Amino acid sequence: EAQVTQNPRYLITVTGKKLTVTCSQNMNHEYMSWYRQDPGLGLRQIYYSMNVEVTDKGDVPEGYKVSRKEKRNFPLILESPSPNQTSLYFCASSSFGQSWEQYFGPGTRLTVT
Amino acid sequence: DAKTTQPPSMDCAEGRAANLPCNHSTISGNEYVYWYRQIHSQGPQYIIHGLKNNETNEMASLIITEDRKSSTLILPHATLRDTAVYYCIVRVPYSPSNTGKLIFGQGTTLQVKP
Repeated sequence: EAQVTQNPRYLITVTGKKLTVTCSQNMNHEYMSWYRQDPGLGLRQIYYSMNVEVTDKGDVPEGYKVSRKEKRNFPLILESPSPNQTSLYFCASSSFGQSWEQYFGPGTRLTVT
Repeated sequence: DAKTTQPPSMDCAEGRAANLPCNHSTISGNEYVYWYRQIHSQGPQYIIHGLKNNETNEMASLIITEDRKSSTLILPHATLRDTAVYYCIVRVPYSPSNTGKLIFGQGTTLQVKP
């Protein structure tokens, strides 16, 4: 089944404790992206990647890192999480076809205390 | 990307067609119309897209007016599982300079009732 998976789905952590949220897709998509969703603010793009070893900042990259060493994986790294990074995170992937529709993972709900 | 306007909420009876409107009066000639939905805190789900012709897939139909300033998403036989927030988005096709980000507005909350 074609899908985007994220792990963990839920995480409660403390300020400053490094964490990684994994994202993997099995559709051989070139494009991958991370978003966060907060009430009243909608979806905001954190980072995106056009292909392996090609990443770039989105609208809200502060406090986050990403890497794209393999085509299927695009982990989101929070080196020193803070409470303002408490949010619902989504990974998405897409091919570069004309339609460019994006497929989203199930989400990771992160709480930083 | 052009801005879209959608009604904040709609109700639909189960088994009936749900018609969700979207205004995009400033759409450019090369911008596509996309529809996504989000079922309570799940990942957004792609539904359908189109440029100027009407489109149909297994989930829905998309009707785009001739002047392309508005569109309607049609769920032909709504079920309770179709209760979700529906987002209409317009965006340009892929290009190397495009970040690919999707800008979700407030969307329309569709409540399908038994």
